[in-house]
Amino acid sequence: AQSVSQHNHHVILSEAASLELGCNYSYGGTVNLFWYVQYPGQHLQLLLKYFSGDPLVKGIKGFEAEFIKSKFSFNLRKPSVQWSDTAEYFCAVMGSLGSASKIIFGSGTRLSIRP
Amino acid sequence: EAGVVQSPRYKIIEKKQPVAFWCNPISGHNTLYWYRQNLGQGPELLIRYENEEAVDDSQLPKDRFSAERLKGVDSTLKIQPAELGDSAVYLCASRSGQYMNTEAFFGQGTRLTVV
Repeated sequence: AQSVSQHNHHVILSEAASLELGCNYSYGGTVNLFWYVQYPGQHLQLLLKYFSGDPLVKGIKGFEAEFIKSKFSFNLRKPSVQWSDTAEYFCAVMGSLGSASKIIFGSGTRLSIRP
Repeated sequence: EAGVVQSPRYKIIEKKQPVAFWCNPISGHNTLYWYRQNLGQGPELLIRYENEEAVDDSQLPKDRFSAERLKGVDSTLKIQPAELGDSAVYLCASRSGQYMNTEAFFGQGTRLTVV
């Protein structure tokens, strides 16, 4: 069965600090991985995605994530956060076998940026 | 391109009353998802459609929840009767399932409050 773990429930950083949010998944086959962001009062939006190829993927607003297959991880990073990055971040996994197109989300990490 | 449209945005009902949510996916997207998101948690999959067929409804509480996607386009999720614990945001998402390497797009959600 698919599952996603986000270990950081709430992260508080100052502006210009570096960010890394952890995401680990469980799935027995090839996976597609996503990070979605939910800004206050807005709908879920795609931040970045990994389907295949280069395990280091670039997303919008300076975010990137690295897929490490051996660790079943897909951590999100940003070298220098801004106040506008305050939001809820969700990691998600979509399997490619059997229940293909089933997308499972982690519990989310709330990011608060101090100006 | 129009996004996923959900209505209503907000709904307040008394317990034991019925309620229905409507979703119009992005044109051409054959995969449609309904999720429930409780406060401070990630979206939980309720049901997934491929065209008009419900291919995964294992998480749908079938004693009170029902869903339909007639003609494989828009969809309705119903709760009857509603309970206090059903208070949550109900999210609809769609995806072009014709290709594996595509992401899901989310609507604004319907915030349900059961009093």
